[in-house]
Amino acid sequence: IQLTQSPSFLSASVGDRITITCRASQGIRSYLGWYQQKPGKAPKLLIYDASTLQGGVPSRFSGSGSGTEFTLTISSLQPEDSATYYCQQLNTYLTFGGGTKVEIK
Amino acid sequence: EVQLVESGGGLVEPGGSLRLSCATSGFSFSDAWMSWVRQAPGKGLEWVGRIKSKTDGGTADYAAPVKGRFIISRDDSKNTLYLQMNSLKTEDTALYYCFRGAPYDYWGQGTLVTVSS
Repeated sequence: IQLTQSPSFLSASVGDRITITCRASQGIRSYLGWYQQKPGKAPKLLIYDASTLQGGVPSRFSGSGSGTEFTLTISSLQPEDSATYYCQQLNTYLTFGGGTKVEIK
Repeated sequence: EVQLVESGGGLVEPGGSLRLSCATSGFSFSDAWMSWVRQAPGKGLEWVGRIKSKTDGGTADYAAPVKGRFIISRDDSKNTLYLQMNSLKTEDTALYYCFRGAPYDYWGQGTLVTVSS
């Protein structure tokens, strides 16, 4: 199963609402997670089962979707959200999307 | 406190072998499905493979690029996960992470494997 993320790069201002899309090459029900990775660090789980917020993750992060199309939304972008974001499917083995680098203007 | 500590990385020539270890503590390792993920320098995350818990069969699955060359195993008595890498290629150069996925989100710090002559 291939995961296609868009955009691959996003530049936005503090306070902006941003959305990242992840499209699966075939249906994966709701077996999708979103990870945040900062330089030199291991990835951090933000969302699993498409829309369940991982404990300790700020509520400005949210996920939605099922089947083949999913979104990660940050409702009010903060400086510490500068990172690369990956979607991951768990329906059939595991696959990661190509990543979306988020830059703060 | 949950800890995952990878070791065994290093420089190896193409065609060579290397065994990575991931020593864990702080959670029930024997119940966990564990995975290896790698990240080539400046690139994205790539799933390498996973092994199920013994109660779920203990079998391993692999990504296409490593199938037939890499072997994942586990020693539940030592709470340790292994990745045996054979017939290494230059494109296997990466930082290798062990992890337990959602909803647990346990990751090691990674161990660097460099395949070069």
